[in-house]
Amino acid sequence: ILNVEQSPQSLHVQEGDSTNFTCSFPSSNFYALHWYRWETAKSPEALFVMTLNGDEKKKGQISATLNTKEGYSYLYIKGSQPEDSATYLCASSGSARQLTFGSGTQLTVLP
Amino acid sequence: EAGVTQFPSHSVIEKGQTVTLRCDPISGHDNLYWYRRVMGKEIKFLLHFVKESKQDESGMPNNRFLAERTGGTYSTLKVQPAELEDSGVYFCASSQAHPWANVLTFGAGSRLTVL
Repeated sequence: ILNVEQSPQSLHVQEGDSTNFTCSFPSSNFYALHWYRWETAKSPEALFVMTLNGDEKKKGQISATLNTKEGYSYLYIKGSQPEDSATYLCASSGSARQLTFGSGTQLTVLP
Repeated sequence: EAGVTQFPSHSVIEKGQTVTLRCDPISGHDNLYWYRRVMGKEIKFLLHFVKESKQDESGMPNNRFLAERTGGTYSTLKVQPAELEDSGVYFCASSQAHPWANVLTFGAGSRLTVL
């Protein structure tokens, strides 16, 4: 994998559903994996930064895991609420020493 | 603590005109970055300042783009002359340490529309 890829591109779920997204990134020369939450016209908000294989982080009902050997990270949202609707961005930093972003997963939580 | 602020929030200009975007990072953050998101695609790196010095400008698309950070405080990004493909959202971000493993704080972006 040369680029950071996110799937799905968009997702609609019902309030209360749990959901997850995938971020794939180059596993060679890996330094860190960042997750951001972005609502249009607002600042992207940092959720997690993970560096070690097997890292798991949690913030409220949102959690993330990291597999640096195979180059993927999962973001989980348990019991989605309408206010969780946003675009979730992941970014990898590698030997280029800058963040390379995926195109994001746009989540819509329907009431 | 004030966040990263960007001005203007939205600019509409005609092809061939000049636009200057400004970014005020969080006070004390030596690292300042410019990114842009074009046509709903992924956010792409433009350049990185450490204080007033350009550390990495490998993402700057061409010589119509000029970034400065005089005095190591705020930064400006000038596009001259603007082309249609320059339309997008220009984000600025800052951090205390290099973001390999540290969080970037982003501004809300400056949306540029070139007609």
